[in-house]
Amino acid sequence: AQSVAQPEDQVNVAEGNPLTVKCTYSVSGNPYLFWYVQYPNRGLQFLLKYITGDNLVKGSYGFEAEFNKSQTSFHLKKPSALVSDSALYFCAGAGANNLFFGTGTRLTVIP
Amino acid sequence: ETGVTQSPTHLIKTRGQQVTLRCSSQSGHNTVSWYQQALGQGPQFIFQYYREEENGRGNFPPRFSGLQFPNYSSELNVNALELDDSALYLCASSPDTSYNEQFFGPGTRLTVL
Repeated sequence: AQSVAQPEDQVNVAEGNPLTVKCTYSVSGNPYLFWYVQYPNRGLQFLLKYITGDNLVKGSYGFEAEFNKSQTSFHLKKPSALVSDSALYFCAGAGANNLFFGTGTRLTVIP
Repeated sequence: ETGVTQSPTHLIKTRGQQVTLRCSSQSGHNTVSWYQQALGQGPQFIFQYYREEENGRGNFPPRFSGLQFPNYSSELNVNALELDDSALYLCASSPDTSYNEQFFGPGTRLTVL
């Protein structure tokens, strides 16, 4: 079965420091991978996607993600965290007609 | 361009009742997917509709059913509600089934008492 895993339930980072939210994947064939962010009582907002091509994907709000085939990882990164980045982040993969999600990582940026 | 909208925002039902949730897809999108997000969990795929036909289903029982209308809006119906059905129900639309990115609505929070 195809899946993505987010090994950290919670990540804390100081404002201005770089942040990383981890994701590993287990998919057959070429992976299509996504990052979404969810604010309280809100739906999911798309951040970025990897389909093919460059291993470093740039997305919304200054976020980027690094695809690493040998480590089957797709970690989300940002060079300088903002307090407003505090939210729940989901890694997802694409199936035939659906997205399958990780369990989420709560990011807290400390002022 | 209007995004994905869902109604109602919140809903409280009792066990055994039936519920209908509604979703309007983003303009130009003909594919709608529904997800269930239980508290503290990632969204789980319920089913997808493409041009008014079911186009894939996750591991949910038949009491979860849906419809898609000619204008591509969609309904999720849940019969015989159980306590475990309490969750945030998310609707997502995409331009067609070959387009991997999905655009999500704000969700409907269903509480079953």
